[in-house]
Amino acid sequence: GQQVMQIPQYQHVQEGEDFTTYCNSSTTLSNIQWYKQRPGGHPVFLIQLVKSGEVKKQKRLTFQFGEAKKNSSLHITATQTTDVGTYFCAGGNYGGSQGNLIFGKGTKLSVKP
Amino acid sequence: DSGVTQTPKHLITATGQRVTLRCSPRSGDLSVYWYQQSLDQGLQFLIQYYNGEERAKGNILERFSAQQFPDLHSELNLSSLELGDSALYFCASSARDRGDFYEQYFGPGTRLTVT
Repeated sequence: GQQVMQIPQYQHVQEGEDFTTYCNSSTTLSNIQWYKQRPGGHPVFLIQLVKSGEVKKQKRLTFQFGEAKKNSSLHITATQTTDVGTYFCAGGNYGGSQGNLIFGKGTKLSVKP
Repeated sequence: DSGVTQTPKHLITATGQRVTLRCSPRSGDLSVYWYQQSLDQGLQFLIQYYNGEERAKGNILERFSAQQFPDLHSELNLSSLELGDSALYFCASSARDRGDFYEQYFGPGTRLTVT
């Protein structure tokens, strides 16, 4: 079935360093969403990308959707301890067999102060 | 606070038993989704209901079933429990029926431990 792969699984950075997580789909996606889950918390919606090649920014976070709509990335500039958590991408496959979001396994970010 | 509530917060039960997890969506949301989160499998979509009707099905075992009631709250029933069913179960809600296209609001989750 359709899969969304996310790498790396873990990332440890020093505060102030940059961080990037990558998401790849086996099939073309209709859209992609990104969620953040703090330790002990629940996933919280960050953003949705819909258009091919789309780039969106939220303060220090930059989200990209690939031209072929099969991959996406989240880049955090100058990480802070508040960025700690697991970042999930979730691909939309409208019309697919599941008809719903397919989550990657997430990238767990730890930030050393 | 997402506005989605889930009860109970924690549940400990034995193998072979049956449990019911409950979810109340955000006010006005018609779609409810259930997810299972385990350490090695990430977030697995189980099932979606929209306004009382099943809308989409994911990797839900036959031992699991769900329903959405007229007041829009939902219940996930897990039966013949196995050790491998131990996980965090999240409920999420959204306003519309397209589960892939609208922001989903997650509840705090129910941690199920099967011993």
